[in-house]
Amino acid sequence: GQQVMQIPQYQHVQEGEDFTTYCNSSTTLSNIQWYKQRPGGHPVFLIQLVKSGEVKKQKRLTFQFGEAKKNSSLHITATQTTDVGTYFCASIAYALNFGKGTSLLVTP
Amino acid sequence: GAGVSQSPSNKVTEKGKDVELRCDPISGHTALYWYRQSLGQGLEFLIYFQGNSAPDKSGLPSDRFSAERTGGSVSTLTIQRTQQEDSAVYLCANRVGAEAFFGQGTRLTVV
Repeated sequence: GQQVMQIPQYQHVQEGEDFTTYCNSSTTLSNIQWYKQRPGGHPVFLIQLVKSGEVKKQKRLTFQFGEAKKNSSLHITATQTTDVGTYFCASIAYALNFGKGTSLLVTP
Repeated sequence: GAGVSQSPSNKVTEKGKDVELRCDPISGHTALYWYRQSLGQGLEFLIYFQGNSAPDKSGLPSDRFSAERTGGSVSTLTIQRTQQEDSAVYLCANRVGAEAFFGQGTRLTVV
């Protein structure tokens, strides 16, 4: 399968600081998806990227897919306490393979 | 239904007992996944059903775990002779197009 690895595992920021999580694969990915899981909740789909070099934005969130389609990033500008949670990347090959996630803690 | 429904939401069982977890997917969408999530950990793939194809069972951790899907709809995950290390949240997901919709999960505690 298309295995993905995420870094960092944890990130603690002050409210207003930026945050970035990275997703990497040793093989070319057909696509990359990002999910957010709030504490005590279930993962919720954020976005899918398919094209090489693709960049998509959702308000303060910017998603990128690398030119070689082997890595992706999620960047949050000016974090808020509502951004707290674990962010997972995932790739659909056959099954939906998730990275281990980056847990974001935002303190006011 | 409007979303993916899982039952029970919580299950406490004694070590050695069998448990059955249920997933009611979104009607008409055939791709269904089971995942396990231990406290503070990522999503561990267990099994994948797609239409009438043979399920991908490559993620099942032992032969105590099995799953079935009846009529391409409801799925049940069965854990036999439960062990304490089976304690986790078991999540079912249904893929609609590219997007996976997750149920709220079943929190299993083996005592």
